[in-house]
Amino acid sequence: NAGVTQTPKFRILKIGQSMTLQCTQDMNHNYMYWYRQDPGMGLKLIYYSVGAGITDKGEVPNGYNVSRSTTEDFPLRLELAAPSQTSVYFCASSYPTGLAGYEQYFGPGTRLTVT
Amino acid sequence: DQQVKQNSPSLSVQEGRISILNCDYTNSMFDYFLWYKKYPAEGPTFLISISSIKDKNEDGRFTVFLNKSAKHLSLHIVPSQPGDSAVYFCAASAGTGGFKTIFGAGTRLFVKA
Repeated sequence: NAGVTQTPKFRILKIGQSMTLQCTQDMNHNYMYWYRQDPGMGLKLIYYSVGAGITDKGEVPNGYNVSRSTTEDFPLRLELAAPSQTSVYFCASSYPTGLAGYEQYFGPGTRLTVT
Repeated sequence: DQQVKQNSPSLSVQEGRISILNCDYTNSMFDYFLWYKKYPAEGPTFLISISSIKDKNEDGRFTVFLNKSAKHLSLHIVPSQPGDSAVYFCAASAGTGGFKTIFGAGTRLFVKA
């Protein structure tokens, strides 16, 4: 199992450009998430999905879009990149198991700089 | 409004001694708590968790304690090892699904050999 994979690892964007961050998991997890982590801060939830075709906003969704056409893939789209979107982005997945908990499996992250 | 707070940005401990990482929360609806460990240039990895119906959970060198009345939890690492040097995130979840998980800002642990 590769777990959760993310591409690219690093990216520099100019203000106003667009890009898609890719995320794939091979654990057949229903739930997938996108977080951003700013320096000295915890992870903030951008969007999440509870299954193919179902997505919803998290805490900080502005400036982002997502889609979930398959169980495995959950791409994050940035339209009109802004310097405030400079951050490290983590994709995660989980299969909620009731009392066993909701631990999430994270990808290695994408470091994005917008200048 | 930080619902999950880790007030110590960093902690330094001698190898072999106990590391205690603390976490406070404000939302009484949280019913599941988790600790994640993160090395540089990697994603967080799940370490240990505890349900709100328990007050202690142990896994090898790692023990998590939950004090619901104080809305406080702590992670104990005994004995600490240099490989434990990482950033530790406390997280809390309310309800099913886990998508309401709130993360603290993290505590960087340094274990000195």
